[in-house]
Amino acid sequence: DAGVIQSPRHEVTEMGQEVTLRCKPISGHNSLFWYRQTMMRGLELLIYFNNNVPIDDSGMPEDRFSAKMPNASFSTLKIQPSEPRDSAVYFCASTPRGAAGVNEQYFGPGTRLTVT
Amino acid sequence: KQEVTQIPAALSVPEGENLVLNCSFTDSAIYNLQWFRQDPGKGLTSLLLIQSSQREQTSGRLNASLDKSSGRSTLYIAASQPGDSATYLCAGASGGSYIPTFGRGTSLIVHP
Repeated sequence: DAGVIQSPRHEVTEMGQEVTLRCKPISGHNSLFWYRQTMMRGLELLIYFNNNVPIDDSGMPEDRFSAKMPNASFSTLKIQPSEPRDSAVYFCASTPRGAAGVNEQYFGPGTRLTVT
Repeated sequence: KQEVTQIPAALSVPEGENLVLNCSFTDSAIYNLQWFRQDPGKGLTSLLLIQSSQREQTSGRLNASLDKSSGRSTLYIAASQPGDSATYLCAGASGGSYIPTFGRGTSLIVHP
């Protein structure tokens, strides 16, 4: 398996523009997580999906952020409008949920977002 | 709410030294604890996962332990090498939730 795939790897945009980050989880994994990492705040969970359904979005900072998972192999995180304080590395991770409840997280390479 | 703390924030050791990284958590009803490695500008790579019913896990020169009663996990690295230089993060998932809480990490430098 290719692992968790994220695109783009780097995104530079101007304040006010819409940004869409994409994630393809590992095939067969049924939980997907979006995280944001900054020097100031470390790694923060934004939203968590289980079987394509959003379970916990309490980490989404504000209404400018939205996430979707239309099917088991694709998720998007959208920021509209973007602001300079959104600059961070955004990670997607997926987790298998077998009978033993093993939930080792597998991370993608991240998208480095810079909003000027 | 689970809180995870990692001390020290940074560590510099000479090559060959055995070292221990610490991770403490506040909720002892932890489901599992996972250790990750993050290289600069890269994503997180899973190193070891310890389930709540386990006391330790080993992989090569790495050994991770879990003590729920004291709220601690340690990552032991034997015979450290310059290639071990990275940031090491731990994450704990509490109770029935599969949502892990991450520590801020320990930045390790192993110098030749």
